[in-house]
Amino acid sequence: EVQLVESGGGLVQPGGSLRLSCAASGFTISSYWMHWVRQAPGKGLVWVSHINSDGTLTDYADSVKGRFTISTDNAKRTIYLQMNSLSADDTAVYYCAGGPYTNYLPYWGQGTRVIVSS
Amino acid sequence: QTVVTQEPSLTVSPGGTVTLTCASSTGAVTGLNYPNWFQQKPGQPPRALIYSASNKHSWTPARFSGSLLGGKAALTLTGVRPEDEAEYYCLLYYGDAQLVFGGGTKLTVL
Repeated sequence: EVQLVESGGGLVQPGGSLRLSCAASGFTISSYWMHWVRQAPGKGLVWVSHINSDGTLTDYADSVKGRFTISTDNAKRTIYLQMNSLSADDTAVYYCAGGPYTNYLPYWGQGTRVIVSS
Repeated sequence: QTVVTQEPSLTVSPGGTVTLTCASSTGAVTGLNYPNWFQQKPGQPPRALIYSASNKHSWTPARFSGSLLGGKAALTLTGVRPEDEAEYYCLLYYGDAQLVFGGGTKLTVL
């Protein structure tokens, strides 16, 4: 059974940093494109970033470019999202999602909540 | 900045049929946008329903179908059930490796 479990969310002050993790089981992330998607309170889904199956290609939404970094540790079956220079606009539930192609997202985690507040 | 537009809300009666659409600010939605559709209920993560415009996942109920219709991606629910009440999101892929979600459609079954 495919499972994605996010962790690392929490309360952080504006300007601070946080690293999210997504642990995968039931499939090999080295064969999948992996994504981060976020959802601010009461708002819609927003694609944040993706990384290709061998970790050589990454891309980001304009709103996070230069502040967020996606990475993967295939040995640990985990992907990460390093988030720097956080602001209140980054407050959201962050979901990890994945699939065999970048335009195909069948599998989703339960999400981890990030709150940016002083 | 690319904008993907969905109906903010729709209402359908149980047993009825409803079509949700997904439009792109860049022009007609085509198969090269690989439209995906997701269902999200309150407090739950999104659940994938449709990929590549019209393909169903193994878990997608038969009453859900996807298509390209009049330059838009479309999700049709036939024989709607009360449990289909949810928010529905489309996702479009753009060749510059960007993916953009629509704003979502709140479907009410009444």
